[in-house]
Amino acid sequence: QKEVEQNSGPLSVPEGAIASLNCTYSDRVSQSFFWYRQYSGKSPELIMSIYSNGDKEDGRFTAQLNKASQYVSLLIRDSQPSDSATYLCAVDNFNKFYFGSGTKLNVKP
Amino acid sequence: DGGITQSPKYLFRKEGQNVTLSCEQNLNHDAMYWYRQDPGQGLRLIYYSQIVNDFQKGDIAEGYSVSREKKESFPLTVTSAQKNPTAFYLCASSEAGTAYEQYFGPGTRLTVT
Repeated sequence: QKEVEQNSGPLSVPEGAIASLNCTYSDRVSQSFFWYRQYSGKSPELIMSIYSNGDKEDGRFTAQLNKASQYVSLLIRDSQPSDSATYLCAVDNFNKFYFGSGTKLNVKP
Repeated sequence: DGGITQSPKYLFRKEGQNVTLSCEQNLNHDAMYWYRQDPGQGLRLIYYSQIVNDFQKGDIAEGYSVSREKKESFPLTVTSAQKNPTAFYLCASSEAGTAYEQYFGPGTRLTVT
């Protein structure tokens, strides 16, 4: 069983819509969760971190964490074509990050 | 500017040769990491170091070696024992301890033929 699971996509949304990206993880002791954005051919860049249950908002991005369900999500409001990228979910387990394989998002103009 | 540098951006080698990838950071981070990414896949941890002169194997350390003689530097050697070395290699750093965010360098794309 993979540590971190993501739907590979592609997820296609029209410009201005809300994109919803999901991630599940297997280890209940995980405490820290991160979302990275990776453009094709580039390295991942950190979007958000979340550590406690509930929602955390930063601009157009909202991360949601439900530890009981072992579920993390990222909502992107007012999606723009520049948001088209692969989004990686990462889970910190005692200093070791485990990454999902990523969800490819396409935002259509 | 604070950040992480990796060099070179592209590297080509013949099979059977060892190759060393450079990673330098000026963020004053204690922890550094090496990952490998294959097409369409997530990142897999090769080695990590929480402090100078100490490092631990990640999930796919076979065929790789590292050193951590300085806080700012964490070079990775891909040896001839690595069966499938062609990949995108990413270096990251963070504060030491749990829950700290990792920041990535631009990566080195290694092609071995």
